[in-house]
Amino acid sequence: AQTVTQSQPEMSVQEAETVTLSCTYDTSESDYYLFWYKQPPSRQMILVIRQEAYKQQNATENRFSVNFQKAAKSFSLKISDSQLGDAAMYFCAYRRLYGGSQGNLIFGKGTKLSVKP
Amino acid sequence: ETGVTQTPRHLVMGMTNKKSLKCEQHLGHNAMYWYKQSAKKPLELMFVYNFKEQTENNSVPSRFSPECPNSSHLFLHLHTLQPEDSALYLCASSQRDRYYGYTFGSGTRLTVV
Repeated sequence: AQTVTQSQPEMSVQEAETVTLSCTYDTSESDYYLFWYKQPPSRQMILVIRQEAYKQQNATENRFSVNFQKAAKSFSLKISDSQLGDAAMYFCAYRRLYGGSQGNLIFGKGTKLSVKP
Repeated sequence: ETGVTQTPRHLVMGMTNKKSLKCEQHLGHNAMYWYKQSAKKPLELMFVYNFKEQTENNSVPSRFSPECPNSSHLFLHLHTLQPEDSALYLCASSQRDRYYGYTFGSGTRLTVV
């Protein structure tokens, strides 16, 4: 079974600085998708960024980028120029492509990010 | 608003009560999900509905009963819950064959007393 591990329960960053959140996963699949979700205090889970495993190029969405290391099964999220509104829980998620439970997202435990003014 | 609406936002119920959580989406998605979110634990997938048909039940106790009358609505019926069932219950929807991820609602914060 696939698992997703986020080893940092909490992180803190100074406003305008850069922070990296870690995520590793375990799978025997070769094709899959990876996601980072943000959950602010409003509780809404918001998709931040996604990566297709067959793409070598790291995904980027404005201030958010990932470092996808397929061989190492690592998928870290980098937030540049951190803003107060970035404070939230961040969840890494995996989705297999084929077979049973196709499309089901598997989540890590999350990392709570605090942003200091 | 993301397009997935959950009601109520908060719910307090006794262990002998019966209540229902509602989820609604008008995004044209064909799959809907119930997740349980407890503190310091990964989100737990409870139920999956694919084109209104339940395709997964991840060993969820029978005191949780899902219902999907159509592809836009999903319910979670609750009865004789336990205090450990207190959690945030999240509904999500997606296009089953696309990789866009899920669209989530804001959840129902359930407290069982």
